[in-house]
Amino acid sequence: EDQVTQSPEALRLQEGESSSLNCSYTVSGLRGLFWYRQDPGKGPEFLFTLYSAGEEKEKERLKATLTKKESFLHITAPKPEDSATYLCAVQAGTGNQFYFGTGTSLTVIP
Amino acid sequence: KAGVTQTPRYLIKTRGQQVTLSCSPISGHRSVSWYQQTPGQGLQFLFEYFSETQRNKGNFPGRFSGRQFSNSRSEMNVSTLELGDSALYLCASSLRGAAYEQYFGPGTRLTVT
Repeated sequence: EDQVTQSPEALRLQEGESSSLNCSYTVSGLRGLFWYRQDPGKGPEFLFTLYSAGEEKEKERLKATLTKKESFLHITAPKPEDSATYLCAVQAGTGNQFYFGTGTSLTVIP
Repeated sequence: KAGVTQTPRYLIKTRGQQVTLSCSPISGHRSVSWYQQTPGQGLQFLFEYFSETQRNKGNFPGRFSGRQFSNSRSEMNVSTLELGDSALYLCASSLRGAAYEQYFGPGTRLTVT
């Protein structure tokens, strides 16, 4: 069964304390892996798309990497404004379906 | 430029009724995708429309349908509402398709009583 699992479910960091969020997937025919940020009461905000193993993308304090089985979202020296739920999704299969993880709720404490 | 807009923002319906939700994409975007978000199941993909054609479809029953108009605006319809259809319905638009950068609207909160 196609599945996307994110860990940890919740993460509390001190401002400046770097960490990584994990997204592991078991799907057939991966077409792309996506990272989104979602703030309470809002729709998700696109962060990155990764298409093949070994690919990396960076944006400000965020860096996303992809292997054949998982992706990491590295957060370097986070700030309180980075507090949000981070969602991972994959597009896969013959029907090009999207599968979302349940997210990691990140809290950055000043 | 204006973002993705969804109407209405909140809706309360009774079990058995039907509902239509509307999504206006960012100007120039031809792809509109719909998603259901619930606390228990998280975000689930409903379908994607590109230039008025349904391109991809998720695993939802036929009660969930959609369409896209020539101006790229999209509507989603849910017939014979069930209590479990209570959710936040999000639409997202993209220039090239859901497999690329998408911009989400604020969602329509549907409550079925």
